Amino acid sequence: AQKITQTQPGMFVQEKEAVTLDCTYDTSDQSYGLFWYKQPSSGEMIFLIYQGSYDEQNATEGRYSLNFQKARKSANLVISASQLGDSAMYFCAMREPFGNEKLTFGTGTRLTIIP
Amino acid sequence: GAGVSQTPSNKVTEKGKYVELRCDPISGHTALYWYRQSLGQGPEFLIYFQGTGAADDSGLPNDRFFAVRPEGSVSTLKIQRTERGDSAVYLCASNPGNADTEAFFGQGTRLTVV
Repeated sequence: AQKITQTQPGMFVQEKEAVTLDCTYDTSDQSYGLFWYKQPSSGEMIFLIYQGSYDEQNATEGRYSLNFQKARKSANLVISASQLGDSAMYFCAMREPFGNEKLTFGTGTRLTIIP
Repeated sequence: GAGVSQTPSNKVTEKGKYVELRCDPISGHTALYWYRQSLGQGPEFLIYFQGTGAADDSGLPNDRFFAVRPEGSVSTLKIQRTERGDSAVYLCASNPGNADTEAFFGQGTRLTVV
């Protein structure tokens, strides 16, 4: 069974600083996908970034990058130049291989950006 | 709108009652998912539809929960004999059915059983 672990229940970061949110995963599959979602207080899950298990380059999307270390089974999210609007819950998730694309989520990290 | 739409946004019901939660996916998306998010937790998978059929319902907690998607578009999650432990946010997501695309989520239905 797949498992996602997020060990930081909450983080406080000064505005404009970079922040790293930790995510480790456990799977016996060779092919899988890793996702990060942001959930503001409105409740909607907003897709941020995706990394495929066979992708050799770390994924980047604007201010978001994913530090993918396959041997360590970690997929940390890095947010550069944090903004007040980045304050939200952040969830790491894993998708099973082809045939069933359901997501397994971690427990999340609550990020608060301090002005 | 073009996003995933869920209705109602909030539902309060009495213990023992029956409820239906509706999800309108993005047009053309063949894959549809239901998740349940309890307070302080990440979403947990309930059921996955590919077209009209439930491809995986392994996440449904018991036989009080049932979901349908009769025409391959709108889906309804049905909960019978609700219990206080069913209180949670129920999230719906859809994607085009391609393996490398993200799932698009609705804003959820907050269900409170009193």
